[in-house]
Amino acid sequence: QKEVEQDPGPLSVPEGAIVSLNCTYSNSAFQYFMWYRQYSRKGPELLMYTYSSGNKEDGRFTAQVDKSSKYISLFIRDSQPSDSATYLCAMSLDSNYQLIWGAGTKLIIKP
Amino acid sequence: DTGVSQDPRHKITKRGQNVTFRCDPISEHNRLYWYRQTLGQGPEFLTYFQNEAQLEKSRLLSDRFSAERPKGSFSTLEIQRTEQGDSAMYLCVGGGGSGWEQYFGPGTRLTVT
Repeated sequence: QKEVEQDPGPLSVPEGAIVSLNCTYSNSAFQYFMWYRQYSRKGPELLMYTYSSGNKEDGRFTAQVDKSSKYISLFIRDSQPSDSATYLCAMSLDSNYQLIWGAGTKLIIKP
Repeated sequence: DTGVSQDPRHKITKRGQNVTFRCDPISEHNRLYWYRQTLGQGPEFLTYFQNEAQLEKSRLLSDRFSAERPKGSFSTLEIQRTEQGDSAMYLCVGGGGSGWEQYFGPGTRLTVT
């Protein structure tokens, strides 16, 4: 079993819909949780990070961490075709440790 | 643009050849990571530098792989005697400041024929 599990999709939704992306993990020691967006043939781009539990909002994006359930989520409101990409979750034990990644969920926003 | 550059962007080589990739982070990035990513997978950690010191090295990094960061600025990743299984995107990542943030370069796509 992988340390971080993420549904590969693809997830296809109409433009304007609310998108929910999720990851589960097994190591309760993870402290830092990130979401990255990756366009085809590009490197991942940091979208949001969260330390420990709680919610964080940035524009149309909201990240949630539920450490009791070992479950993190990324919500995208008012989704746009330009949001079509692969979304990867990543987590870390501390600020210097390497990131452990999910496999990524491919998201398609249909105009 | 994260400010992290990688060269070359694409490399095609024959099995058994040696290849070297270069990464140039921005000056504020005292931490530098190398990851490898294959199609449909998340990145896999290879190695980590704090300034010029190589502090962590993954079990994935066989003896054919070596990485350096001689002056704590740019870094090189060399793969000797390449194998077809080495075909992947090699990603360089810079980090600094508060610690947890990691900024990816565009990657070097390696194809071993």
